[in-house]
Amino acid sequence: DIQMTQSPASLSASLGETVSIECLASEDIYNYLAWYQQKPGKSPQLLIYAANRLQDGVPSRFSGSGSGTQYSLKISGMQPEDEGDYFCLQGSKFPLTFGSGTKLEIK
Amino acid sequence: EVQLVESGGGLVQPGRSMKLSCAASGFTFNKYDMAWVCQAPKKGLEWVATISYDGSSSYYRDSVKGRFTISRDNAKSTLYLQMDSLRSEDTATYYCARHFSAYTTDWFAYWGRGTLVTVSS
Repeated sequence: DIQMTQSPASLSASLGETVSIECLASEDIYNYLAWYQQKPGKSPQLLIYAANRLQDGVPSRFSGSGSGTQYSLKISGMQPEDEGDYFCLQGSKFPLTFGSGTKLEIK
Repeated sequence: EVQLVESGGGLVQPGRSMKLSCAASGFTFNKYDMAWVCQAPKKGLEWVATISYDGSSSYYRDSVKGRFTISRDNAKSTLYLQMDSLRSEDTATYYCARHFSAYTTDWFAYWGRGTLVTVSS
């Protein structure tokens, strides 16, 4: 199975600050990587797919990068509505696996 | 607008069965692979199973193989998850999800609101 190691587990950021979340895959996942945001009591929402493509309707302050085994999500200018949990997902090989999540809060 | 609406969750005793349904609308159901994803209380997300667009192939995580069966009725635009021999560790919110690209298994583009399954005596 492909292991997805996500860091950090939690993060506190000030409004307007730029934050980054990382996911490290245990093997090459060929950009089959997506990022999700989940708010309490809600289902996950797709932010980024194919490592760096912005899903329709997602603010441009969200961006993704990476290749091979290393991927990152960047939020350029933290907004209050960005508080929540963030997960990465590898869609390269079964079993599909998620990162353990990052809880992002406003400082 | 894509909509996925799960139903069938609730409280069930260990060892018993439960069947979840997911009614899909807003897209051509028979073009997309579909999946179930679960999330235990206060925990992360776990992929459970995926079924191909035509129902010819299905894939499961190891912990549910032989106990859970994913199926679909393309005429009714409905996805199912039959869960047998339920265990306490199966307690979770189960989300129905649509894969992103037609005829391909990749990441999940859309999710339902989820249905809670509680396995307890």
